[in-house]
Amino acid sequence: AQTVTQSQPEMSVQEAETVTLSCTYDTSESDYYLFWYKQPPSRQMILVIRQEAYKQQNATENRFSVNFQKAAKSFSLKISDSQLGDAAMYFCAYSPNTGNQFYFGTGTSLTVIP
Amino acid sequence: EPEVTQTPSHQVTQMGQEVILRCVPISNHLYFYWYRQILGQKVEFLVSFYNNEISEKSEIFDDQFSVERPDGSNFTLKIRSTKLEDSAMYFCASSRKAGGPKRNIQYFGAGTRLSVL
Repeated sequence: AQTVTQSQPEMSVQEAETVTLSCTYDTSESDYYLFWYKQPPSRQMILVIRQEAYKQQNATENRFSVNFQKAAKSFSLKISDSQLGDAAMYFCAYSPNTGNQFYFGTGTSLTVIP
Repeated sequence: EPEVTQTPSHQVTQMGQEVILRCVPISNHLYFYWYRQILGQKVEFLVSFYNNEISEKSEIFDDQFSVERPDGSNFTLKIRSTKLEDSAMYFCASSRKAGGPKRNIQYFGAGTRLSVL
């Protein structure tokens, strides 16, 4: 069964500092996608970054980057130069290439301290 | 950028009543989804829909639930006889998944908060 685990219910970071959010997953599939979504207080989930499992290179999107360790089934999100607007709930999600559904973690609530 | 829109943002209903939650997916998307998030819990998959039929559903999606694409733009989730435990945030999502760099990305709406009294 596919499961996604986020072991940090809450994290905080000083503005302009770097923070890393953890995510591990369990799957027997070899081809899949991993995602980080951000859910601000307005509640709409926004895609932050996506990683394709067959790509060894870690995905980056501006201040956001991932550390994808396929053998360890680990997919952490690094936010550099944190901004007040980064404060949100962050969800890690897994999607097998053969299926449609996403499997979500329980989320990490990120607070940015001015 | 195009968005998935959901209406209403908050729905209050009495236990046993039928509710219909509405979604307008992104116009060129082919796959449509419903998820729910009970307060304090994970976002859970309910159902996916493609080519006018259900392509995948979870154990949560029992006979009380149904989905429909009544026209070219709307995608609805109906709960026939609501229970207290149906209270949750319901998210609609859509994806293209037809290939290209944005395949498999699901775009989510802001959600409908359903409160069953």
